[in-house]
Amino acid sequence: DAGITQSPRHKVTETGTPVTLRCHQTENHRYMYWYRQDPGHGLRLIHYSYGVKDTDKGEVSDGYSVSRSKTEDFLLTLESATSSQTSVYFCAISQRGYYEQYFGPGTRLTVT
Amino acid sequence: AQKVTQAQTEISVVEKEDVTLDCVYETRDTTYYLFWYKQPPSGELVFLIRRNSFDEQNEISGRYSWNFQKSTSSFNFTITASQVVDSAVYFCALSEEGGMNAGGTSYGKLTFGQGTILTVHP
Repeated sequence: DAGITQSPRHKVTETGTPVTLRCHQTENHRYMYWYRQDPGHGLRLIHYSYGVKDTDKGEVSDGYSVSRSKTEDFLLTLESATSSQTSVYFCAISQRGYYEQYFGPGTRLTVT
Repeated sequence: AQKVTQAQTEISVVEKEDVTLDCVYETRDTTYYLFWYKQPPSGELVFLIRRNSFDEQNEISGRYSWNFQKSTSSFNFTITASQVVDSAVYFCALSEEGGMNAGGTSYGKLTFGQGTILTVHP
């Protein structure tokens, strides 16, 4: 199994508060991704990174920002959490941009 | 634009039955990659297989087999002699090698189907 961890695994927060999710990999893969999974919507890409300090938006990036200061860490920040951001968040990594992605265990976020 | 369709929302079988999960894709690229992922009730996403567009050879891995047909744009997944542990949501996905971001780097936009919920009853 690819070495990917996500923290925290579960979080409950209040509307309006900032939240940061962390993804950590030990595989030295260049590409990292953040997805959210919601019933009826499947997996949707939020942001991705193709190198240190190189990031770009996915299809549902509004209200989210990311940072990657080291190869192994990719942070997802909800600047001001809203109830619509209640979801399960998955981090993924890939050696090549178009090859398989390996997913972390997920973070269940509830915004009350 | 790339698209993946898994027409079967839910499938229910009895243990030891064979079951096929359908996947149909759309892409304009000549070089692309197809994937299957499994998401068991515990929630993690498990990579099962990658297939390249230039390799139509079918693949078998134990009870799992995959049938890739470019002529029909399909990449179907068959589980032989299903077991209760096969119960999961299965996702088909597609990426295009030519998918580029503004920086000219192929970032592998992975387009997922909506998933098929497979329930195997004892």
